Amino acid sequence: EIVLTQSPGTLSLSPGERATLSCRASQSVSSSFLAWYQQKPGQAPRLLIYGASSRATGIPDRFSGSGSGTDFTLTISRLEPEDFAVYYCQQYDSSPRGYTFGQGTKLEIK
Amino acid sequence: EVQLLESGGGLAQPGGSLRLSCAASGFTFKTYAMSWVRQAPGKGLEWVSVMSGSGGSTYYADSVKGRFTISRDNSRNTLELQINTLTAADTAVYYCAKGSSSWYYFDCWGQGTLVTVSS
Repeated sequence: EIVLTQSPGTLSLSPGERATLSCRASQSVSSSFLAWYQQKPGQAPRLLIYGASSRATGIPDRFSGSGSGTDFTLTISRLEPEDFAVYYCQQYDSSPRGYTFGQGTKLEIK
Repeated sequence: EVQLLESGGGLAQPGGSLRLSCAASGFTFKTYAMSWVRQAPGKGLEWVSVMSGSGGSTYYADSVKGRFTISRDNSRNTLELQINTLTAADTAVYYCAKGSSSWYYFDCWGQGTLVTVSS
């Protein structure tokens, strides 16, 4: 089973700053199989990025994803107040079919 | 607009059973795989189970295999999760999630239903 490790656990930044969130896999993951979600308190997760770098519908272009193999990154170029939330990466296993989430990175206001 | 509405959560006794439902609308339900994902209080996301659009294929996380059963009724656009032999570790918000056409990710989530297991 592939394990996803996200870092840092908590990231404290100010609005307007750049955020870089990391997701490291225990073995190589196809870029097609890597997604990122945002979750705000009391809300369901929301898809941000799929295929490692494609933005989901309605997601602002300040969100970008990159990476390949075992190292993936979610970047928020210029933080808005509404971006402070918890972010999860997720990967898909094709055999047997299943899904794994990272433990999450909490992005908090400094 | 895609909508997913879960129901059936609540307080249940250890060793008991519960059946969760998810009503889907706004898309061709039978075309998409559907999953259940849970989140224990203050914890991260844990995928639980997925069922193919036709209902012919099902997969479970090792942590729930043998106790959870996923099912769907494509005539009623509903997804269900039967949970047996409940333990405190099953206490969580359970989300219904629509799979992408490729199966690779979840492009829409319900608001979740809370299951609390306690005596």
